Amino acid sequence: AQSVSQHNHHVILSEAASLELGCNYSYGGTVNLFWYVQYPGQHLQLLLKYFSGDPLVKGIKGFEAEFIKSKFSFNLRKPSVQWSDTAEYFCAVNPTTSGTYKYIFGTGTRLKVLA
Amino acid sequence: DTEVTQTPKHLVMGMTNKKSLKCEQHMGHRAMYWYKQKAKKPPELMFVYSYEKLSINESVPSRFSPECPNSSLLNLHLHALQPEDSALYLCASSPAPLNTEAFFGQGTRLTVV
Repeated sequence: AQSVSQHNHHVILSEAASLELGCNYSYGGTVNLFWYVQYPGQHLQLLLKYFSGDPLVKGIKGFEAEFIKSKFSFNLRKPSVQWSDTAEYFCAVNPTTSGTYKYIFGTGTRLKVLA
Repeated sequence: DTEVTQTPKHLVMGMTNKKSLKCEQHMGHRAMYWYKQKAKKPPELMFVYSYEKLSINESVPSRFSPECPNSSLLNLHLHALQPEDSALYLCASSPAPLNTEAFFGQGTRLTVV
C-alpha cells in the first residue's frame, strides 16, 4: 500500500537551532513530493515541491528539502529556526500514475520553537 | 485569486440532520478534492473530482455525498452522520494535468451531536 512516513512526531527546538524532519514514502513509481505547513488555526500552505530535476529544492521562509530516490526520502531542512516556525509540518506524495490525482499525507510533525 | 473558499467555517448538526458543505475556487483548477482531518492526524482523502467527474472515492460511507455542479464549485452533502464524523473537512483544488500542487481551503469544522 502507498504510504508516507514521518519519523518525528514532536520536535522541540530553541531558536537558531537547525531543523531536519524526515519523510519516507513507499511507492515504486514516479512521484511528486511536497512539504506543507499548517500554522495554528490556519490552512495548509505549500512550503516547497519537487517534480523533477535538481533533487535539492528551496522553498519559502528559508526551508529546503532533498529528494534521495534510492532512499525514497524527502527530508525537510532549515539551518536556523525561528519562533514563528512553530507549526505542524506534513510531507505529501502525489503518485503520477496516469489519471491519478491523489495527495497522500504523512502523519505530520509538530514543531515547537522556544524563544 | 489564489484562494479556495469553504463555507460554513463551523457547523454543528444533529445525527438526523441534512446539511451541505460548500467549496469554491476561481483559479480555473479542474481537479477538486475533499479531505477529512481529525485532531492531531493528517488529512485523509475522501473524494477526487477531475473535470467535474468523480474519479476517486476512498470507500467513504454513503452518508457523505459529493457533488460537483461546475468547475468552480464542490459540495459535500451530509446526512445521518455519526458523532465520530466530527472533524475538519478540507477542500482542495489543483490544476490539471499532474505536476502541480494542491491548494487548500481553511476547512469546515464539523461537530455532530
